[in-house]
Parts: sequence; structure tokens; C-alpha cells
Amino acid sequence: QKEVEQNSGPLSVPEGAIASLNCTYSDRGSQSFFWYRQYSGKSPELIMFIYSNGDKEDGRFTAQLNKASQYVSLLIRDSQPSDSATYLCAVTNSNDYKLSFGAGTTVTVRA
Amino acid sequence: DGGITQSPKYLFRKEGQNVTLSCEQNLNHDAMYWYRQDPGQGLRLIYYSQIVNDFQKGDIAEGYSVSREKKESFPLTVTSAQKNPTAFYLCASSIDGERLSYEQYFGPGTRLTVT
Repeated sequence: QKEVEQNSGPLSVPEGAIASLNCTYSDRGSQSFFWYRQYSGKSPELIMFIYSNGDKEDGRFTAQLNKASQYVSLLIRDSQPSDSATYLCAVTNSNDYKLSFGAGTTVTVRA
Repeated sequence: DGGITQSPKYLFRKEGQNVTLSCEQNLNHDAMYWYRQDPGQGLRLIYYSQIVNDFQKGDIAEGYSVSREKKESFPLTVTSAQKNPTAFYLCASSIDGERLSYEQYFGPGTRLTVT
């Protein structure tokens, strides 16, 4: 079983719609959760981090964390073509605090 | 401007040659990391360093070596012992070396091709 799992996609959404990305993790003791955006050929860019259960909003992005169910999600509201990218979920390991990354979900926003 | 720089952006080498990838940061971060990314896979940790003159193996350290002689520099050497060295190499840093759970920031990456 992979430590961090994401739907690979591609997830295609129309411009202006909400894109919903999900991530599940296996380490019940994980404490820190991150979402990175990676454009094709570029390096990952941190867009959100969340440490507590519930929602965290930053502009058009909302991260949602449910530790009991071991999932973290990212919502992108009012999706724009510039949001077309691969989104990586990363979770810290409880024993050594290193990050484990999912393989990423590719999002395509169609105009 | 504060940030992480990696050089070169693209690197081509013949099989059997060692090659060193540069990573420099001026963020005053304690911790630095090296990852490799292969198509369709998540990032995999090669080595990390929480403090100067100390570093630890990650999940896929075989065939790689590092040094951390200065806080701002963490070069990675890909040796001829690495069986599949062609990949996208990413350097990252985070503010706190004692606890690695703080957010990591990435450099622009080096794409290495070995033929």
C-alpha cells in the first residue's frame, strides 16, 4: 500500500468551476500536510499547508483535513486555465518527519 | 531576492561518469534535501541534511553522495554506481532542521540525462 495516494487524473474541469482533489494517507500519526502545484517541466511550488482538522482557505484555494478518515483535499474555486498543472499532496511521517509525496493529480481547466 | 538556485538546468553525461549537481540557498534555512522525480511518480528522497556537516540517507541513497560544508550549499554527486540516473533532480530547503515538518521550498531543478 502506498503511503500517500492520489487520483492520477487527468481531472478536466470547465473554466469557472470547482476542481476537487483528494489525497489519502496511511500514517495515522501524520501531523503536517502540504499541497504543491507543479507546472509541466517545472519544480513544485507550495500553495497550501494545513496542520489541524477542518478547512483552511487562501484565496481561491481551500484545503480540508480529516485526520480520523486520513484524507486531505484541495478545492480550487473559480478554476482558471492557469490552474492547469499537476498537484502533489505531501504528508509528514510521524516517526521521522520526512515528507512522503503522492504521485500527483493532473488538472486541466478548459476554457 | 531570497531563494534556492540549482545549476545547471540541463545536464547530459555519458554512462560511467560521475556528475555533481549544485544547490545553493540564501533563505538561511537549516535543512536541505535532494529528491528525484521520475515520470508518473512522486518525489523520492535521496539525502537530507538538518545541519551543517551532517546529512542522512533518504529512501534511495544508493549511487549518490552529498556534502554539507556550508549552510547555504548542498551539492549532490550522482556516481556511476547509480543504475538509472536519468531523472529530474530537485533540491529543497526548510527553515527548521530539528523538526523536518515545516514546509519545504524547492529550487528550479536539474534535468539529468545519461546515455
